[in-house]
Amino acid sequence: DAKTTQPTSMDCAEGRAANLPCNHSTISGNEYVYWYRQIHSQGPQYIIHGLKNNETNEMASLIITEDRKSSTLILPHATLRDTAVYYCIVRRHQGGKLIFGQGTELSVKP
Amino acid sequence: DVKVTQSSRYLVKRTGEKVFLECVQDMDHENMFWYRQDPGLGLRLIYFSYDVKMKEKGDIPEGYSVSREKKERFSLILESASTNQTSMYLCASSPPPMGGQETQYFGPGTRLLVL
Repeated sequence: DAKTTQPTSMDCAEGRAANLPCNHSTISGNEYVYWYRQIHSQGPQYIIHGLKNNETNEMASLIITEDRKSSTLILPHATLRDTAVYYCIVRRHQGGKLIFGQGTELSVKP
Repeated sequence: DVKVTQSSRYLVKRTGEKVFLECVQDMDHENMFWYRQDPGLGLRLIYFSYDVKMKEKGDIPEGYSVSREKKERFSLILESASTNQTSMYLCASSPPPMGGQETQYFGPGTRLLVL
């Protein structure tokens, strides 16, 4: 699985968009970009994933650059409940385990 | 929505006790996983299963066993609990991979304290 780099922490004002970047310059052509988050003392929660095209669901949008070397997760209207550690993972299924890096600790402030 | 449930959120056990952690998923997923999560060590895979009665060792299987008698249920067993098994235990499930995609869905976790 390709290595990812994320900022250690970010702040966002409540109601504003939270844009979380992820660099994955060694991504290969058949690897997907996944985003999970983990709220304190809870299990990780799947958010979204994509291969090449931008994706949107009820939780977030995923923007992947044309060269696929980086991506951005967008929470369009952050709330206090979005405070969590956000993990960007690049992988192609080859047998099971997920590897979570350090992630970005997002703090949404009133 | 995918729902993965775990039998307990918090559990306190004594050294040497046999401990059962249960996980149930309601999405008919073939694949199920047990991880533990410790500060500074991230997620570590203990065991996983791709089918009923089938199990595969993960990275840290020592001191653990698993059971999958039904598709929706995957149990983790600590044969003789030790203090170094104090941890957050996370169960996950996923459908069969399609075109390289495989999304794992996690339960809420069980925080186990072994005294």
